[in-house]
Amino acid sequence: TQLLEQSPQFLSIQEGENLTVYCNSSSVFSSLQWYRQEPGEGPVLLVTVVTGGEVKKLKRLTFQFGDARKDSSLHITAAQPGDTGLYLCAGFNFGNEKLTFGTGTRLTIIP
Amino acid sequence: KAGVTQTPRYLIKTRGQQVTLSCSPISGHRSVSWYQQTPGQGLQFLFEYFSETQRNKGNFPGRFSGRQFSNSRSEMNVSTLELGDSALYLCASSLLSPKVNEQFFGPGTRLTVL
Repeated sequence: TQLLEQSPQFLSIQEGENLTVYCNSSSVFSSLQWYRQEPGEGPVLLVTVVTGGEVKKLKRLTFQFGDARKDSSLHITAAQPGDTGLYLCAGFNFGNEKLTFGTGTRLTIIP
Repeated sequence: KAGVTQTPRYLIKTRGQQVTLSCSPISGHRSVSWYQQTPGQGLQFLFEYFSETQRNKGNFPGRFSGRQFSNSRSEMNVSTLELGDSALYLCASSLLSPKVNEQFFGPGTRLTVL
């Protein structure tokens, strides 16, 4: 069974601070996705990374896929209250065509 | 392009009853997956359908079942409801591109079992 552990589980920081969320596994994934979910809504896809070592930027959000394609990180610069939400990583294994979701990081940005 | 829609949005049932949830995928998406989300267990995969066939299945009891119609719309059914079935049930559609399986989620159906 493939497991994706996210850390921290909860994070509460002041507006303007920087933060990093981690997504770790012992398994190799073909690709990895990050989603954000706000209360009362379904998760929304933020980014997909495919190549080991790949870095993608989405405004103040920077996503990195580990060289061995077993882990990923999400870094947010100058966090805003609108960044508040549940962040989920999800790893896709092309071999068995299974998508595994991480345990989630609940982020709260305090104005 | 319209997003994934789910009906109903909220549902209250009692133990022992059964429930059917409906999902309409994004136009052109032929893969539909269902997930259960709870505070304690997080987001757990139920099953995936593609072209009316179940492709993958998670570790849920047989009380949970689903189907997909020729227009890609999908339904999931839970029979003999238990208190622990209270959860947000999410449907997601996908294009099933090689190497990735990007999910586009609906808003979910909040099921409360009393």
